[in-house]
Amino acid sequence: AQKITQTQPGMFVQEKEAVTLDCTYDTSDPSYGLFWYKQPSSGEMIFLIYQGSYDQQNATEGRYSLNFQKARKSANLVISASQLGDSAMYFCAMREASRRDSGGGADGLTFGKGTHLIIQP
Amino acid sequence: DGGITQSPKYLFRKEGQNVTLSCEQNLNHDAMYWYRQDPGQGLRLIYYSQIVNDFQKGDIAEGYSVSREKKESFPLTVTSAQKNPTAFYLCASRARRGSNQPQHFGDGTRLSIL
Repeated sequence: AQKITQTQPGMFVQEKEAVTLDCTYDTSDPSYGLFWYKQPSSGEMIFLIYQGSYDQQNATEGRYSLNFQKARKSANLVISASQLGDSAMYFCAMREASRRDSGGGADGLTFGKGTHLIIQP
Repeated sequence: DGGITQSPKYLFRKEGQNVTLSCEQNLNHDAMYWYRQDPGQGLRLIYYSQIVNDFQKGDIAEGYSVSREKKESFPLTVTSAQKNPTAFYLCASRARRGSNQPQHFGDGTRLSIL
């Protein structure tokens, strides 16, 4: 089963509109962290926002916020007032505490397949 | 400025050849990682290292090798045993303390088969 599912392969959004990028995750670990990264066409991965499984409030960073619904295992990224420079691939990723002790991949991030966001003028 | 430097930006490999991708960081991070990204896909973990002289296999380690002789450096060798090496390779590092610490990435190396 997919650990991280991003159901929107691509999205077109009008400039200045808000956009929500979906992410659902699958884990039985009570302790985990969720990350969102932006990857422009140049290829570098830019960290946007983090949500811990025990955090009581939804994370916010400038125009980025995370709609964290723990019972539904979803961690959607919301970008307010989108800009042309927001056009990029967006990846949701998860770090599980138990993975650190399991060997064979512990401590790394598990990534979704990404959403290609295009902001139109 | 602190950051992660990957070189070269583009690399071509001949059949049967080993190639080494460089990754250097000056962030004083303990943990370093190598990921592979195929077109239209997310990143998959190849190897990681939490401390000097120690490293662990990730999800797709076959055909790759690493070393961690210095804190700043974590080179990745793509061996001839890796039959499908064409991909975008990303190196990352992270401060070990704090589960909320994000991984910081380099600009990547694109590897192609000649």
